Amino acid sequence: GAGVSQSPSNKVTEKGKDVELRCDPISGHTALYWYRQSLGQGLEFLIYFQGNSAPDKSGLPSDRFSAERTGGSVSTLTIQRTQQEDSAVYLCASSHGDRYQPQHFGDGTRLSIL
Amino acid sequence: GQQLNQSPQSMFIQEGEDVSMNCTSSSIFNTWLWYKQDPGEGPVLLIALYKAGELTSNGRLTAQFGITRKDSFLNISASIPSDVGIYFCQIQGAQKLVFGQGTRLTINP
Repeated sequence: GAGVSQSPSNKVTEKGKDVELRCDPISGHTALYWYRQSLGQGLEFLIYFQGNSAPDKSGLPSDRFSAERTGGSVSTLTIQRTQQEDSAVYLCASSHGDRYQPQHFGDGTRLSIL
Repeated sequence: GQQLNQSPQSMFIQEGEDVSMNCTSSSIFNTWLWYKQDPGEGPVLLIALYKAGELTSNGRLTAQFGITRKDSFLNISASIPSDVGIYFCQIQGAQKLVFGQGTRLTINP
């Protein structure tokens, strides 16, 4: 399809394990964003990639969280030594141009930490 | 951090009623956007506002960017069952991307 694709759609793991979440943005979109949405809450900005520029990591909640974007396309969000409070839906979005453009979202990865 | 207040948090209405929700910020921003999120899906853009005072419609939806650039409202006229969901405002500017906490809309048929 032509939309933002995220995988897996659901992930259940034990506390202390590492997890990797994947995002395939819309082809041609230079900007990519990761957000976290806890149950019943709004979206919390995590990280923003724009082309080959250094990413804006200002929203990452701790050093257990990191993200990469390879070749200006696919991105991976990694959470190390997961904690129960990491349980949430992780949403990826992409857009044309810079961060001040409307964003197109994937359906998210629902992460549950046991 | 940036304060963005969205209200109401939830609404329970009858089908056919009009709906109004709003967002206010503590600072001035140049772009306001409204999204809708259905269960199990990501938010989808409804309306984008780029100029103070701008009033934009999209079918039964109308949104306005406040003159002070610190607020915006979204109206839905003649609500139908598929309007159910969570509506979010987003502000963009000054290197910030902030979402409101959402307004959960429930419609009784």
